[in-house]
Amino acid sequence: NAGVTQTPKFQVLKTGQSMTLQCAQDMNHEYMSWYRQDPGMGLRLIHYSVGAGITDQGEVPNGYNVSRSTTEDFPLRLLSAAPSQTSVYFCASRAEVHQPQHFGDGTRLSIL
Amino acid sequence: EDQVTQSPEALRLQEGESSSLNCSYTVSGLRGLFWYRQDPGKGPEFLFTLYSAGEEKEKERLKATLTKKESFLHITAPKPEDSATYLCAVQAASGGYQKVTFGIGTKLQVIP
Repeated sequence: NAGVTQTPKFQVLKTGQSMTLQCAQDMNHEYMSWYRQDPGMGLRLIHYSVGAGITDQGEVPNGYNVSRSTTEDFPLRLLSAAPSQTSVYFCASRAEVHQPQHFGDGTRLSIL
Repeated sequence: EDQVTQSPEALRLQEGESSSLNCSYTVSGLRGLFWYRQDPGKGPEFLFTLYSAGEEKEKERLKATLTKKESFLHITAPKPEDSATYLCAVQAASGGYQKVTFGIGTKLQVIP
């Protein structure tokens, strides 16, 4: 049972480059979210989805895009990487809105 | 605005030395309070959900309690393998997505 799988685990980008962080879950969960975790700050919500074809912005959405074409996949796109986007990114899923979230092991992203 | 404050930021215990971690919160309508454990280089792992004041839940050496303003995570006779960062999060009842707000965490180190 894989749960939530994130790829890549590590990535280094140059300022201005674009890339996609992949997230896949095999639990048939409707709710999926992307968070970033920075030192001295709690996990902050970037974007979320309540089902295939439905996405919305969280508290720190600028510079990021998402799409949800299938229940399983929820990729996060950095449009033009900036040093301020250096962070650890976590994808999470949950079956119902009131249930706890299952997290992937994160993507550690450095922007030079 | 929903807020979660965890204390202390870091805690160092001798093996067998019991203690408690605190999570103070303000939220407009509490839907649930979650405790997670996060090991270095990993995503948060779910421990407990508490829904109403007075509720308690236990798992091995951990016991979580909830009042109207705070939650405690009690650790009884901790072992070195309990070393991790413990995250607290609250879920608001408002809105369709029911946003989850995370605290910064308490980093626990248990010395043999």
